This record gives sequence, C-alpha cells and structure tokens, in this order.
Amino acid sequence: SSELTQDPAVSVALGQTVRITCQGDSLRTYYASWYQQKPGQAPVLVIYAKNNRPSGIPDRFSGSSSGNAASLTITGAQAEDEAEYYCQSRDSSGNHWVFGGGTKVTVL
Amino acid sequence: QLQLQESGPGLVKPSETLSLTCIVSGGSINSGGYSWGWIRQPPGKGLEWIGRIYYSGNTYYNPSLKSRVTIYVDTSKNQFSLRLSSVTAADTAVYYCARHVTGVVVYYYYYAVDLWGQGTTVTVSS
Repeated sequence: SSELTQDPAVSVALGQTVRITCQGDSLRTYYASWYQQKPGQAPVLVIYAKNNRPSGIPDRFSGSSSGNAASLTITGAQAEDEAEYYCQSRDSSGNHWVFGGGTKVTVL
Repeated sequence: QLQLQESGPGLVKPSETLSLTCIVSGGSINSGGYSWGWIRQPPGKGLEWIGRIYYSGNTYYNPSLKSRVTIYVDTSKNQFSLRLSSVTAADTAVYYCARHVTGVVVYYYYYAVDLWGQGTTVTVSS
C-alpha cells in the first residue's frame, strides 16, 4: 500500500504529553520521518530514522515504531508546538515517497 | 549554510506547462548522499511528493503524476527544475523544492527531507 494514515486532529493541555500515530504497510520495512508545519511556513523535519532529531529540535520530541505504525510523542507540549504534523516514508511497492494526511495538534 | 530558493511564474494557464527552478546556494548540488526534489501542497490540504533527482540524472516520480512530470538538474548552475505539463486547477498549490536524504540505521532504511525551500505559490487559471 502507498498510504500512510494519520488521525486528523488531537489536542493536548499545556505541559502534558501527546502522541501522534501514523499507520501504513511500508512502515514494516522503512522508518518514518516526521515534519512540523506552522501556518504559512515550510515544513520542518523533527524526527527521522525512528527516533533521531536534527540539530535544533528540542528533546521533548521523540519517535517510536512498532509493526506497521510509527508514533511521534511530544513530552511537555509547549504553546509553540501547536502545528500540523506529517509523517513520511517510502512506498513499499515502488521507489517513491509518501506523506500521511497530517495531524493538527492544538495546545490548550 | 545551504539554502534552496524556488523561482518561476505564479500564474499558469490551464493545459499549459508549469516550470519552476530551485537554486541551491551555500553548497554543491553534487554532494553525495542527497537527491533533490519537489513537494507540493494544495490550498488547505496536505503534502504531496512529486519526485526527486540525483545529480547523476537518475529520477523517481510519484506514479500519479509520472506521465506529466519531468525533473532535471543543471550541475553547472547548481540548480534543478520541475516541469509539469497539461496543468489543471487541481495543480494549484504551493510548490516546495527540497533536499532528500536516505540512510540506514540498524538494518532499516530511512527517507527524509532535511531541507526545504520557502515555497512558491502557483495558481492555474485562465
């Protein structure tokens, strides 16, 4: 399958923990990457290769995977974490890349 | 610090060809281990991967767009370009150029876009 499925929206209280999930057959074979996108801005890579953070990404962002699912966890969510989050990987049937539909995270 | 900058017309007529260029500055497009590609985002919608190219010229495209897409690289100018033919209103989107990276961690491959341009809005309308 070439699809990655994400829940459309999730909310979290300030300072609490939120987990965003992504499901797809290709995740059994390839790691997911995760991107944060704020309105009017380009996406930013926050997690790659399961649980690696690029330079400058706070350590409250972490990733995990199991079977056909990957997760992005924000531990101690901050107001600035309110954004759309996308998972991404490679399609299992071809050499092309795919994105999930995105999850809108609201920090209350 | 490497940067990407998209350029091209903001308005394209239906049935015509959309052409965008991404200028790579602060580093070489010939850098090993990276490929260079395009991603788009229709208004109010999610991200759609279009395709990528290695400096050698090898290309990979989204199957849903493959018949209309060409990505090519000009290493002498340190830039790469996108052509999308026979456009319709459905091709209206913000188009991002982006650096793609592939690697292996503990036997698993990962695929990530680690650097993005700021994006350019393309509207298809007569």
